[in-house]
Amino acid sequence: DADVTQTPRNRITKTGKRIMLECSQTKGHDRMYWYRQDPGLGLRLIYYSFDVKDINKGEISDGYSVSRQAQAKFSLSLESAIPNQTALYFCATSLSGRDYNEQFFGPGTRLTVL
Amino acid sequence: SQELEQSPQSLIVQEGKNLTINCTSSKTLYGLYWYKQKYGEGLIFLMMLQKGGEEKSHEKITAKLDEKKQQSSLHITASQPSHAGIYLCGAGNTDKLIFGTGTRLQVFP
Repeated sequence: DADVTQTPRNRITKTGKRIMLECSQTKGHDRMYWYRQDPGLGLRLIYYSFDVKDINKGEISDGYSVSRQAQAKFSLSLESAIPNQTALYFCATSLSGRDYNEQFFGPGTRLTVL
Repeated sequence: SQELEQSPQSLIVQEGKNLTINCTSSKTLYGLYWYKQKYGEGLIFLMMLQKGGEEKSHEKITAKLDEKKQQSSLHITASQPSHAGIYLCGAGNTDKLIFGTGTRLQVFP
């Protein structure tokens, strides 16, 4: 079984709709991240969380919100989707207390906003 | 803020050939991570470099961090179709990483 799972894997929605992407992990990691990937732009950090009560904005948080429901679950919401939010979204996890930040990624959610 | 630039953006090589991908940072690197992404899938961690001059290998992939810790290279020896994908370098601290734009590698028979 995958350690980091994302649902749905693919989603097509319309402009203005609210949508939630979910991430779950069984790695026991305390840190979780949401990224989006666009062609030619690499991965950009949207939000990250160091524990259930700690949520931080990344470089491109506008138009997004997150919820850390439990240590193992981290959801990303688009309150009112717009076409330029069409992208591949990744969730990642890591473990605190180390002197390096190896992150483990989910398989991604491909989101299309029409 | 720190920026990572990868070159080339795209690479097409014949199976069996060697190749090198570069990652250059605008600031000193205190941890450089290499990931591989198969098309449309998640990222897989390859290796991490921390010390200037450090070199690590995994199977036919070797990564180096230069002495000044501002550039890293990823070298693949005798490329195979299984090496195809997108290679991304990442850098940052123990809290968060930034990533380069990626290098798309295609290997043809």
